Amino acid sequence: TQLLEQSPQFLSIQEGENLTVYCNSSSVFSSLQWYRQEPGEGPVLLVTVVTGGEVKKLKRLTFQFGDARKDSSLHITAAQPGDTGLYLCAGFVSNDYKLSFGAGTTVTVRA
Amino acid sequence: GAGVSQSPRYKVAKRGQDVALRCDPISGHVSLFWYQQALGQGPEFLTYFQNEAQLDKSGLPSDRFFAERPEGSVSTLKIQRTQQEDSAVYLCASSLGLAGRGEQFFGPGTRLTVL
Repeated sequence: TQLLEQSPQFLSIQEGENLTVYCNSSSVFSSLQWYRQEPGEGPVLLVTVVTGGEVKKLKRLTFQFGDARKDSSLHITAAQPGDTGLYLCAGFVSNDYKLSFGAGTTVTVRA
Repeated sequence: GAGVSQSPRYKVAKRGQDVALRCDPISGHVSLFWYQQALGQGPEFLTYFQNEAQLDKSGLPSDRFFAERPEGSVSTLKIQRTQQEDSAVYLCASSLGLAGRGEQFFGPGTRLTVL
């Protein structure tokens, strides 16, 4: 059983559309991270959010950490085919060093 | 190389065979982690090393799984008497500082298929 639930599991959109991926848990996380994983590669860190209510922007990607530090979202504006990939959220519970991952959301952006 | 490397990239084993998976972390990185990623799932923590010390092996699925990092650099994950349920991608990650502090850099993984 994974601590973090991601939704949706799959997302297929047209180039130029917006999308949002959600990451939810009943546990409180000291920090939460978002990764992107390409086929045949390991996950690559996109961002770390630490403070409840925090919003971080990375070009067309906006990450939000919930006020209670139990949930997060990733929003992509004007998606491009290069955004295609598996998006994973992960977090440390309290000061635990174990990184817990969600099951991932597979995003496909069609040209 | 600049990143984490793993070998082999692909491994096919017959049920009951022993396998050894190698991880070369980024030079100088203190922390090393092994994860198991089943098809359609996120990575699951297996074990953690701080230098040569294995501080946590609570995620290892059974006593058939064994990991070592004898000199605090290269690590090997060994699986004895492989079973079909062991089929997965095994990811290695390293970080510069102590666990929980600093970014974890992942290798490309070893895809293990047990027939």
